[in-house]
Amino acid sequence: NAGVTQTPKFQVLKTGQSMTLQCAQDMNHEYMSWYRQDPGMGLRLIHYSVGAGITDQGEVPNGYNVSRSTTEDFPLRLLSAAPSQTSVYFCASSYGGLAGGQVIDTQYFGPGTRLTVL
Amino acid sequence: LAKTTQPISMDSYEGQEVNITCSHNNIATNDYITWYQQFPSQGPRFIIQGYKTKVTNEVASLFIPADRKSSTLSLPRVSLSDTAVYYCLVVLYSSASKIIFGSGTRLSIRP
Repeated sequence: NAGVTQTPKFQVLKTGQSMTLQCAQDMNHEYMSWYRQDPGMGLRLIHYSVGAGITDQGEVPNGYNVSRSTTEDFPLRLLSAAPSQTSVYFCASSYGGLAGGQVIDTQYFGPGTRLTVL
Repeated sequence: LAKTTQPISMDSYEGQEVNITCSHNNIATNDYITWYQQFPSQGPRFIIQGYKTKVTNEVASLFIPADRKSSTLSLPRVSLSDTAVYYCLVVLYSSASKIIFGSGTRLSIRP
């Protein structure tokens, strides 16, 4: 298993450009999430998905779009990049929210994408 | 949402036991407490999860008192490689996929 993969590893954009950060997992996980991490800070949830065709907003969704057409892929789209979106972006997946009445939430994280917006 | 509070940073020495405490006063009955570890330039890695009393695995123990308003991550005999940021999270039973990270505790281990 490759686990959670993210591409690209690094990206530089100009203000106003759009781009898509790719995330894929091969563990057949239902749950996938996108986080951003600014220097010296914790992770903030952008969007998440509980399964193909279902997405929802996290703490900081503005400026980002997601879709989940397959179980494996969960791309994050920046519509019009701004310097405030300079950050490291992490994608994560997990087996499922509940199993046997207990929370099963071990999240597996990708290596991250370091994005700079000039 | 249950908010967690943990120390910003801690220092310790190799071979010592390190305890990191997290407070979560607003935790709901069915919510779980989870800890993650993050090394520089890497994504977080799951360490341990618990609901009450004590949970132990190969790398850590998690102590949760009866009132569940706090929890303590215990790392036995730390080494330099345990230098990392440790995050305490409350995972909502009602929305287990919506996982909110706090600011974390930066643990530094010295020789």
